[in-house]
Formats: sequence, structure tokens, C-alpha cells
Amino acid sequence: DGGITQSPKYLFRKEGQNVTLSCEQNLNHDAMYWYRQDPGQGLRLIYYSQIVNDFQKGDIAEGYSVSREKKESFPLTVTSAQKNPTAFYLCASSSTPRTAGGGETQYFGPGTRLLVL
Amino acid sequence: DAKTTQPNSMESNEEEPVHLPCNHSTISGTDYIHWYRQLPSQGPEYVIHGLTSNVNNRMASLAIAEDRKSSTLILHRATLRDAAVYYCILRDWNTGFQKLVFGTGTRLLVSP
Repeated sequence: DGGITQSPKYLFRKEGQNVTLSCEQNLNHDAMYWYRQDPGQGLRLIYYSQIVNDFQKGDIAEGYSVSREKKESFPLTVTSAQKNPTAFYLCASSSTPRTAGGGETQYFGPGTRLLVL
Repeated sequence: DAKTTQPNSMESNEEEPVHLPCNHSTISGTDYIHWYRQLPSQGPEYVIHGLTSNVNNRMASLAIAEDRKSSTLILHRATLRDAAVYYCILRDWNTGFQKLVFGTGTRLLVSP
């Protein structure tokens, strides 16, 4: 089955600790995204990548970092600089927006819930 | 980004049709109308999208007003599994990359 996997499902972070959330897709999509969702709120874009070895900041990138060394993988690191990391983190992928022209669909993973100890 | 306005919540009974409205009075001629839904504790999933004409798929129908300033997502027979937050989102096909702008959506409650 094609899809997006995220791990772990739950993650606990201690003060001053960096943690990395995994996102893998086997849909052969060029574009991948990370979103953050706070309770009762919509999703906010953290980082996105349109192609391997390239990524851009979204609306709330401070305190986060990403890498895109492989097409299938787009890990997100929540650094100690992110003072309020407790949230639901969602990874998504899509076909290349330029070729699909705005009608492309984003496919989301099941999410990782990050909690601070 | 063009804005959308949706009611905060709606209620329905199981097996009844549901009409979820979305206003987008500032829509441009090149904006697609997308709908996603998010079940509790899950990632959003795509439902349907359209540009000008009404659209149908196995999940739902999308009715687009003639002036495109509003649209309605139609679930023909609601089930308990349809209880979710529904997001109406505009995406410009004339722009290279663009993010999905999620508002707070409409929370649909379905009663047995």
C-alpha cells in the first residue's frame, strides 16, 4: 500500500532536548510538508520541500529544522529553541505543484503527538 | 491568500444528507476550491476539489455557485464515520508552490 508513515505516534521531550520526528512516503512524490496543529486550531506550515536537497521555511519555522536527503524521507527536528513544542505534528506529501497546477492533492500521515515532560 | 468562511459546527443525523457551506467572496478566477476533512486524532484527508463545475466522487459532491463566491460540500448520507472537521481551502492553479491554508473548519457532529 502506498502512503505516508510517521513515527513515533507519541513522543516525550525533556527540557533542553532536541527530538526528531520521522516521516517516510512511498508515493513517489517530490513535495513534502510539515505542519503543526494546536488543540482546536487549524494546521500551520512549518517547513516544506519541493525536491530533494531543497527546503524552505513555512510560517512558523523558528525552533525547528529539517533535512531532505532522500526523496522518501523528510525528518523534522524540534530543537530546544522551540519553547512551546507541545502539539500534533503532521507530515504530508504531494506531486510537484508546478506540474499539477494547484489541483494536486496533499496526502497526510497519521501524525505524531509531542508532549513536554 | 484568498479567505474562506465556514460555520464553526453543524449537526446531522445518521443517513441524512449534509450540506456544508463555504463562503469565498474574494476568490480569484484561478482558484481551485478544495475540501479536506480531519477525523479525530488523525491527519487530514482529501475529499474533493473543483474549479467551476459541480463535481462528484465516491465520498461527496461539490456544488459551486455560478459566481463562485460560495460552495457547498454535500454528503449524501451521513454516517457516524463522517463526524470530522471539514476544511474548505482555496488554491491558485496559476501559482507555482502554494501552501494549504487551514482555517478552523466546520466540526460536523453525526448522531445515530
